[in-house]
Amino acid sequence: GENVEQHPSTLSVQEGDSAVIKCTYSDSASNYFPWYKQELGKRPQLIIDIRSNVGEKKDQRIAVTLNKTAKHFSLHITETQPEDSAVYFCAASIGPGTASKLTFGTGTRLQVML
Amino acid sequence: DTAVSQTPKYLVTQMGNDKSIKCEQNLGHDTMYWYKQDSKKFLKIMFSYNNKELIINETVPNRFSPKSPDKAHLNLHINSLELGDSAVYFCASSDYKDTQYFGPGTRLTVL
Repeated sequence: GENVEQHPSTLSVQEGDSAVIKCTYSDSASNYFPWYKQELGKRPQLIIDIRSNVGEKKDQRIAVTLNKTAKHFSLHITETQPEDSAVYFCAASIGPGTASKLTFGTGTRLQVML
Repeated sequence: DTAVSQTPKYLVTQMGNDKSIKCEQNLGHDTMYWYKQDSKKFLKIMFSYNNKELIINETVPNRFSPKSPDKAHLNLHINSLELGDSAVYFCASSDYKDTQYFGPGTRLTVL
């Protein structure tokens, strides 16, 4: 089955700096790669996703890049703010389809320091 | 206007008891899921249902039994609770594009 590795497990940055989180996946058939943000005691919330027919996607301060050949994808957050502090999860799936399931990475705890 | 809701939010119970968690979505999605998040925050899928039919069962102990009375509801019943079942359980639903939306979670503590 799919295996998703995520690095680093913790990341501390100064407010205003950029943060990068990297994930690799094992199944070359995976074609959907979402990123979730989970604040303490809250639900995971989708912040951005990318599909395998796209190499990069941006949404304001957040961007995701995908390298299908190398089987890795990354989350980039620019101009970090204290409210960006949370645990971030990458995931991968083969979809769409009724049997599609997300395999999550192990999470990155991002701390943005004032 | 909550999209995916779960009850209860907290559940504290003794070992050996049986308990249920309920989930409802009003997004009109066909697919619903149960995930378990352990103390290390690792999120792992347990079950997936599509239009009331079990699609994915990730080798979860048979003490866990999901039930989907209709495509908007997915419940999780757990028999003979064990200490290792303590975790946060998230329900989720997805649209045809596989975008998954999570419920608020149920924190289960087994004493």
